[in-house]
Amino acid sequence: GAGVSQSPRYKVTKRGQDVALRCDPISGHVSLYWYRQALGQGPEFLTYFNYEAQQDKSGLPNDRFSAERPEGSISTLTIQRTEQRDSAMYRCASSLGLAGALTEETQYFGPGTRLLVL
Amino acid sequence: AQTVTQSQPEMSVQEAETVTLSCTYDTSENNYYLFWYKQPPSRQMILVIRQEAYKQQNATENRFSVNFQKAAKSFSLKISDSQLGDTAMYFCAFQNNNAGNMLTFGGGTRLMVKP
Repeated sequence: GAGVSQSPRYKVTKRGQDVALRCDPISGHVSLYWYRQALGQGPEFLTYFNYEAQQDKSGLPNDRFSAERPEGSISTLTIQRTEQRDSAMYRCASSLGLAGALTEETQYFGPGTRLLVL
Repeated sequence: AQTVTQSQPEMSVQEAETVTLSCTYDTSENNYYLFWYKQPPSRQMILVIRQEAYKQQNATENRFSVNFQKAAKSFSLKISDSQLGDTAMYFCAFQNNNAGNMLTFGGGTRLMVKP
């Protein structure tokens, strides 16, 4: 079946602009995660959802970052007033079961959105 | 908080030979899972193998196997009969099942398979 998809794949924006990054998880997957990956480093956790509920946003760098998943499927990560330091690969992952339910849930990653802030 | 350390920034191996990538982690948790993900030049993140901490038996997936030493908090990946397509960044990741299942990644090891 279809995997996790993300759009756009590449985004170039000017400093100060807002950007919205979209994630479409695997159909039926309950949990959805956002990560950020700087060049040459491993991904870092940003936030996650169970269904439409945002469970943990402790990884969001500051209040310019927000995420939503209003219908428990597609999620949007929004960065307001972008800065050059926001340039990175933004990755979404989904898993079948409920995160935090004391069960292993393998996360399947999308291709990522590469964001470049000029 | 958990930390994951991959002490080998880069490694190389001849095609058809075997290579082992190291990973250590630090946690006070007892219920967790460990993963290896592969990131080829396309920058996709592909699951290679996973290990449940409560299982003593090491996981294997075709040419890929792990050496899981729970007491030592070590989780190395062995790739047998290396192929050119194995050239990629490899990330070790820790999943805490008591804290929302988010993954904590190591810094990665860049593996080059030479013909």
